[in-house]
Amino acid sequence: GEKVEQHESTLSVREGDSAVINCTYTDTASSYFPWYKQEAGKGLHFVIDIRSNVDRKQSQRLIVLLDKKAKRFSLHITATQPEDSAIYFCAASTGFYGGSGNKLIFGTGTLLSVKP
Amino acid sequence: NSKVIQTPRYLVKGQGQKAKMRCIPEKGHPVVFWYQQNKNNEFKFLINFQNQEVLQQIDMTEKRFSAECPSNSPCSLEIQSSEAGDSALYLCASSLNSVYEQYFGPGTRLTVL
Repeated sequence: GEKVEQHESTLSVREGDSAVINCTYTDTASSYFPWYKQEAGKGLHFVIDIRSNVDRKQSQRLIVLLDKKAKRFSLHITATQPEDSAIYFCAASTGFYGGSGNKLIFGTGTLLSVKP
Repeated sequence: NSKVIQTPRYLVKGQGQKAKMRCIPEKGHPVVFWYQQNKNNEFKFLINFQNQEVLQQIDMTEKRFSAECPSNSPCSLEIQSSEAGDSALYLCASSLNSVYEQYFGPGTRLTVL
């Protein structure tokens, strides 16, 4: 079945540096790629997403890149702050009309630590 | 910030017992999803609804799990006969429509002893 692989299980950066988290997916019909942040004991907080009609999207310090040929997408967090420390999950979906009802397939998370 | 409400936050059941959890989606969101997140951070989609109708559900859901989203009442997910392997965080998400972003609640952490 469809899979999303998240390559870094942990990532440690210094405050102010950039952090990059990489994911790959298997289903060529995937068209929607959201990212979520989870802090200890909490649910998933939506941070940013990208759809397959573009290859780059930016929201303030967050940049998402999509390479459909390589079936790879990545989250770049620039000018990191200690409050960015959390687990980040990537996900993929074929969208409603792909037959899966827009269910999300998640990666297994990257624990990001931003050290002051 | 998400306004999806999930209750209870924690649920402890013995094997074979029923476990029921509830979700109130964000106002105006007709699409509701249930996911299971285990201790290894592996997610499993369980079921989704548009208003009161099931859009898709997995086989596991069809056997011991039941879910509904009645009109004017919270959505619910119930495990008829809990097993140790059901211990997980159950996450509810809602969406404006099935192609837009999903907003998650804080989850119900189920422990089956």
